[in-house]
Amino acid sequence: KNQVEQSPQSLIILEGKNCTLQCNYTVSPFSNLRWYKQDTGRGPVSLTIMTFSENTKSNGRYTATLDADTKQSSLHITASQLSDSASYICVVSAQTSYDKVIFGPGTSLSVIP
Amino acid sequence: DAGVIQSPRHEVTEMGQEVTLRCKPISGHNSLFWYRQTMMRGLELLIYFNNNVPIDDSGMPEDRFSAKMPNASFSTLKIQPSEPRDSAVYFCASRVAGTSYEQYFGPGTRLTVT
Repeated sequence: KNQVEQSPQSLIILEGKNCTLQCNYTVSPFSNLRWYKQDTGRGPVSLTIMTFSENTKSNGRYTATLDADTKQSSLHITASQLSDSASYICVVSAQTSYDKVIFGPGTSLSVIP
Repeated sequence: DAGVIQSPRHEVTEMGQEVTLRCKPISGHNSLFWYRQTMMRGLELLIYFNNNVPIDDSGMPEDRFSAKMPNASFSTLKIQPSEPRDSAVYFCASRVAGTSYEQYFGPGTRLTVT
């Protein structure tokens, strides 16, 4: 069964600190993995998209890594800011249907001053 | 670009009433997706269209749910009759099929069925 799991479920960090969010998936055959940021009351916004051949991608202070062999991905946030407080969702799609995505449950991040 | 537009942003209705949610995708995008988000189940794909044609509606929970896309710039998701368990945030997203995997989400419609 295709599944996406994320850890931790929630995280509280001090402003300026770094953090890493984890995503494990069992989707096969794998096509691509995306990390989305969802602010409270708003729609998800894409941070990074990685295909099978990519193992790292950055978007400003966000860096995503992908290990297709172990089926794991991480999202590293550097020098966190209060505006990073949001839910971060890992989304995976299979080659059989690029658009039929499987969402992880999300990690709720709170950055406090 | 105004992004994906959804209306209404909030809807409160009584059980048994018909509810219609509306979506205008980004101009030039030819794939459109309807999602539902709840605390218990997270984000779920309900249905998606390519070039106005429904491709996969296996996520539509029941026959009470229906979606249409009469043209490239408009789609509706209808629930008839509505039930309290339909209460959720409904998102519409769009993208250009065959190019990028990236989907652009609208702000969502928060539906409350009492």
